[in-house]
Amino acid sequence: AQSVTQLDSHVSVSEGTPVLLRCNYSSSYSPSLFWYVQHPNKGLQLLLKYTSAATLVKGINGFEAEFKKSETSFHLTKPSAHMSDAAEYFCVVNMFSGGYNKLIFGAGTRLAVHP
Amino acid sequence: NAGVTQTPKFQVLKTGQSMTLQCAQDMNHNSMYWYRQDPGMGLRLIYYSASEGTTDKGEVPNGYNVSRLNKREFSLRLESAAPSQTSVYFCASSEGRETQPQHFGDGTRLSIL
Repeated sequence: AQSVTQLDSHVSVSEGTPVLLRCNYSSSYSPSLFWYVQHPNKGLQLLLKYTSAATLVKGINGFEAEFKKSETSFHLTKPSAHMSDAAEYFCVVNMFSGGYNKLIFGAGTRLAVHP
Repeated sequence: NAGVTQTPKFQVLKTGQSMTLQCAQDMNHNSMYWYRQDPGMGLRLIYYSASEGTTDKGEVPNGYNVSRLNKREFSLRLESAAPSQTSVYFCASSEGRETQPQHFGDGTRLSIL
């Protein structure tokens, strides 16, 4: 069965410092993985996706994630946090069920960015 | 360039009342989805429609019904609302049932007293 574990429910960084949001997944086959961001009172926006091509995936707003099969991890990073990065981030794995792609969401990590 | 539009944005109901949440997409997508978001649990799939004319249960379908009115619209109905259905509801769409990513609306915040 597929599952996603986000290791930190809250992360707090100072503006200009690096961001690391951790995600581990469980999948019985080679998965497709995603990171979504949700700003307050908004829907989810796709940051980036991994679909078995390059293991280092670059997304929008300077974010990137590295797929590490040996560690079953897909951590999200950004070299320098900006105040506008404050939001909730979801790591997501797809699941095949009945010939259809369903998304399995992690519980989310809330990122706070301080001046 | 609206994408996925949900109405209403907020709603308060009393236990036992009924309500329909509306969703429309303008991207000519075939597949549409309804999720609920609860604190600490991410999003869970309620129902989905792989294509016009078809609907299927997701992870948490009990207490809900859906209608795929046409290719653009996918509604979610609560026939007899319960406090456990207090949540934020998101509609999403994708080009096809095997296609990623999904595009999300801004959500409907529903409180049931």
